[in-house]
Amino acid sequence: EPEVTQTPSHQVTQMGQEVILRCVPISNHLYFYWYRQILGQKVEFLVSFYNNEISEKSEIFDDQFSVERPDGSNFTLKIRSTKLEDSAMYFCASTSWTEAFFGQGTRLTVV
Amino acid sequence: SQQGEEDPQALSIQEGENATMNCSYKTSINNLQWYRQNSGRGLVHLILIRSNEREKHSGRLRVTLDTSKKSSSLLITASRAADTASYFCATYNAGNMLTFGGGTRLMVKP
Repeated sequence: EPEVTQTPSHQVTQMGQEVILRCVPISNHLYFYWYRQILGQKVEFLVSFYNNEISEKSEIFDDQFSVERPDGSNFTLKIRSTKLEDSAMYFCASTSWTEAFFGQGTRLTVV
Repeated sequence: SQQGEEDPQALSIQEGENATMNCSYKTSINNLQWYRQNSGRGLVHLILIRSNEREKHSGRLRVTLDTSKKSSSLLITASRAADTASYFCATYNAGNMLTFGGGTRLMVKP
């Protein structure tokens, strides 16, 4: 069964450092998403990406965040200068219109 | 604003009992989906119900949708300890943003 893969599974970084979270969506899907889930809280939408550009973004997705699809397979989320409050699980998802397939997430810990 | 809101926030039942979770949403939808999340893991799609459907079944899952009340329910029958997880409803907005509710944490005691 096709799946979305995310790397790394866990990333520890110092405050102020840049991090790049990587995702390989399902190959024939059209929409790609990043979500964030702070421990014990709800799943929050960050950004959607379609046709090589951002389709929608939430208030959380400020200038510190960027997304890229550098080649035909990878989809990355970059946080330029991490803050303590960026510590969360980050989920990538892809969809071909209806159900979304999620990766297992990257646990980002900012210290 | 949050599109979907589930209640209860937490539910604890005995194995074999049925579990019912509810979701309310605010805007018009084309479909509503339910997802499951095991602790610390990714979300897994369970079932999708379209706006012109009122009820849908998949194994031990039964989903209802009432578009007049903007609400949906997920029923898990004959629950098992392995059903312990968080359950989220999700809807798309007009711009294809899939938005999740706060989730219901279900604990099934053996």
